[in-house]
Amino acid sequence: DGGITQSPKYLFRKEGQNVTLSCEQNLNHDAMYWYRQDPGQGLRLIYYSQIVNDFQKGDIAEGYSVSREKKESFPLTVTSAQKNPTAFYLCASSISGPPTEAFFGQGTRLTVV
Amino acid sequence: AQSVTQLGSHVSVSEGALVLLRCNYSSSVPPYLFWYVQYPNQGLQLLLKYTTGATLVKGINGFEAEFKKSETSFHLTKPSAHMSDAAEYFCAVSPTGFQKLVFGTGTRLLVSP
Repeated sequence: DGGITQSPKYLFRKEGQNVTLSCEQNLNHDAMYWYRQDPGQGLRLIYYSQIVNDFQKGDIAEGYSVSREKKESFPLTVTSAQKNPTAFYLCASSISGPPTEAFFGQGTRLTVV
Repeated sequence: AQSVTQLGSHVSVSEGALVLLRCNYSSSVPPYLFWYVQYPNQGLQLLLKYTTGATLVKGINGFEAEFKKSETSFHLTKPSAHMSDAAEYFCAVSPTGFQKLVFGTGTRLLVSP
């Protein structure tokens, strides 16, 4: 079945460590996105990529980095510069043309301990 | 800039009662509009979307929404609530021809027996 796979589902990190969240899709979508979800704040866009080897900052990119070396993969690194990384992270993908219906993965819950 | 306002962070209904979740948007160009549902610790699932054409849109699980340009609204309704409808609901807007989705802060629907 086609879909988006995020791993791991739960992740614990010590303060000061970088951590990478995985996102893989087999929907043949060109565009991929990372969102951060906090209670009461909805989803906020971290980074997005419309094509391989290209990506743009979203609204809250500080403390995060991404790469897009393959169409299927869009990993997100949460760096030690991110001051409050504990959150639920969602990866999504969509076709490159409108309408921009996004398909979501099951999310990764990151907790800093 | 585009934005979405969801009135009411929590809405409580009895099983069998009408469900009404409110969404107002701001967009400088004709928008595409979406409603997503999220169950605890899961990703988002598309309920329905408005792109062009008929302003009354029917989605999955008996939900529907009406696009009212004059009121800049896209409220979600369901005639009769079921216990399984308890979840968080997000309204999202995407400007025509552009890919980023902007989400509201979400409304948690509580359904009591």
